[in-house]
Amino acid sequence: DTGVSQDPRHKITKRGQNVTFRCDPISEHNRLYWYRQTLGQGPEFLTYFQNEAQLEKSRLLSDRFSAERPKGSFSTLEIQRTEQGDSAMYLCASSLVAIQETQYFGPGTRLLVL
Amino acid sequence: AQSVTQPDIHITVSEGASLELRCNYSYGATPYLFWYVQSPGQGLQLLLKYFSGDTLVQGIKGFEAEFKRSQSSFNLRKPSVHWSDAAEYFCAVVYQDFGNEKLTFGTGTRLTIIP
Repeated sequence: DTGVSQDPRHKITKRGQNVTFRCDPISEHNRLYWYRQTLGQGPEFLTYFQNEAQLEKSRLLSDRFSAERPKGSFSTLEIQRTEQGDSAMYLCASSLVAIQETQYFGPGTRLLVL
Repeated sequence: AQSVTQPDIHITVSEGASLELRCNYSYGATPYLFWYVQSPGQGLQLLLKYFSGDTLVQGIKGFEAEFKRSQSSFNLRKPSVHWSDAAEYFCAVVYQDFGNEKLTFGTGTRLTIIP
């Protein structure tokens, strides 16, 4: 069990640019979640997948955000035309299927939009 | 809508003293409750969770939490804190009866330990 990994750990970009983050879940986990955490706040749910199917999206996930999990393994989160308000920590978590299963979090990708 | 309240933004405790971090959740028939800890530069680590059964749950690092349905609370406790416990602590809830499985987090409590 190598844990959940995320890449990159840090990203600085200019407003208007596109960015893509990657998450590799724990290998046997079917569920994969994306959360966003801004300074002084708890993580907020963005979206989640069961295998390759995206089952729920938060209204926080504007049209500029898209997430994929094409083969049911790793996932990518893309932000198009970044805005300064997108600056945050983006957290990925994975779990087995069942509501009571623990979500294991990765270290996060910290995004700064200048 | 499901929500979690952590009333204390910042708590300072002397090393060796006892600790209690408060958490209240909005009403739901079947809440599943979690406490996570986040150290600087680290991801969230699960301390403990409650689903059913004994309302006093034990977790890692000597932490425990008590579920009180009548008070809609799930407070985290530790009898004697160590300097390494300094971190941000988040309470979170999932409601089975809402049919979704995303975690809803509180705003967190930052814990400072003084010698």
